[in-house]
Amino acid sequence: NAGVTQTPKFQVLKTGQSMTLQCAQDMNHNSMYWYRQDPGMGLRLIYYSASEGTTDKGEVPNGYNVSRLNKREFSLRLESAAPSQTSVYFCASRAPRATWGQRDNEQFFGPGTRLTVL
Amino acid sequence: KQEVTQIPAALSVPEGENLVLNCSFTDSAIYNLQWFRQDPGKGLTSLLLIQSSQREQTSGRLNASLDKSSGRSTLYIAASQPGDSATYLCAVGNAGGTSYGKLTFGQGTILTVHP
Repeated sequence: NAGVTQTPKFQVLKTGQSMTLQCAQDMNHNSMYWYRQDPGMGLRLIYYSASEGTTDKGEVPNGYNVSRLNKREFSLRLESAAPSQTSVYFCASRAPRATWGQRDNEQFFGPGTRLTVL
Repeated sequence: KQEVTQIPAALSVPEGENLVLNCSFTDSAIYNLQWFRQDPGKGLTSLLLIQSSQREQTSGRLNASLDKSSGRSTLYIAASQPGDSATYLCAVGNAGGTSYGKLTFGQGTILTVHP
């Protein structure tokens, strides 16, 4: 049981390049989330997916797109990277109610992707 | 809009001391509150989760309390150890409508426990 996994761990892009951050969870959770963490700003929600086939904007969605490929996978795409998107990106999934061995609505986080845009 | 504040921003204590980290939130319509630990360059590890109907949760040397009406939570760490050094994050699970399940984070308390 790997929990939430993210690839890549590190990435350096030039302004205008595109890339996709991958996230997968093996806990059979319905809800998945993408956050970014910046010094002095804390973690902020970019996009989320309440269930397979649905996605919604969070607090800071501009410049990003997401795809909920299936129940396990939720990817985040930067179409044209900008220096302001330099950040650490975290994917998370949420345990639904009454899931054996997990606390109701607890969120589990991946190890993060450290992205630098030059 | 929910806002979460953590005080203090940083704390340095000698080993063995008991300590309290504070978290306050502006909207009491929450579903739960989660405390995380983050080591430098690492992801977030869930420490404690308090449902909105609960007053406190305990895990080992950690105890978290929740007072929804006053918009406050505290994380109590007993007999601190150097291995407790990390950033502690408080996150509020928003209730109702389109906000359901989303977490709003505080900016964290950086804890240093020196031998």
